[in-house]
Amino acid sequence: GDSVTQMEGPVTLSEEAFLTINCTYTATGYPSLFWYVQYPGEGLQLLLKATKADDKGSNKGFEATYRKETTSFHLEKGSVQVSDSAVYFCALTSTNTGKLIFGQGTTLQVKP
Amino acid sequence: KAGVTQTPRYLIKTRGQQVTLSCSPISGHRSVSWYQQTPGQGLQFLFEYFSETQRNKGNFPGRFSGRQFSNSRSEMNVSTLELGDSALYLCASSNDPGVGTDTQYFGPGTRLTVL
Repeated sequence: GDSVTQMEGPVTLSEEAFLTINCTYTATGYPSLFWYVQYPGEGLQLLLKATKADDKGSNKGFEATYRKETTSFHLEKGSVQVSDSAVYFCALTSTNTGKLIFGQGTTLQVKP
Repeated sequence: KAGVTQTPRYLIKTRGQQVTLSCSPISGHRSVSWYQQTPGQGLQFLFEYFSETQRNKGNFPGRFSGRQFSNSRSEMNVSTLELGDSALYLCASSNDPGVGTDTQYFGPGTRLTVL
């Protein structure tokens, strides 16, 4: 079945460092890919999405490119801030059902 | 537009009881999906309702059920609560996730604790 694998955390960075969180997927068909972020005590917020191969999603300085040849959707940010500390989830929508399938989440901690 | 709202935000129940959680989707959205989040299992899909019909269901026991009303509001019910049902229950709404490219928007969740 469809699945998403994320790099394990926690990831600890200093402010202004470069961020990469790896995400790979297995899916039939052509799923849409998403990054969601969860701040402590809150629900999930959509960070960015891409719906077809080579699409680049971007928002708030974060970017991710839909790479079909490597089945990847890695999240990057050039300069992280303390306020970016959160849990990041990579997800895809199953083309059969439309349900979201999530990776296990990666905790990011940014230190001043 | 107002976002997805969920009530209550926190619940404490004891084993064997039942509980009902409520979700109001974004105005105009016809689909509501429910997810369970636990530290051990992560985020897991429970079910999806579209136009008052359950369209998809995850791999959960029959104690978990739901419904959707004509105004798209949805409720989720868990009967005969078990300790393992303690989790954050998230509701998400969209126009139609069956379209694949559609985006699901999440509410803040209901934190259920079973004692």
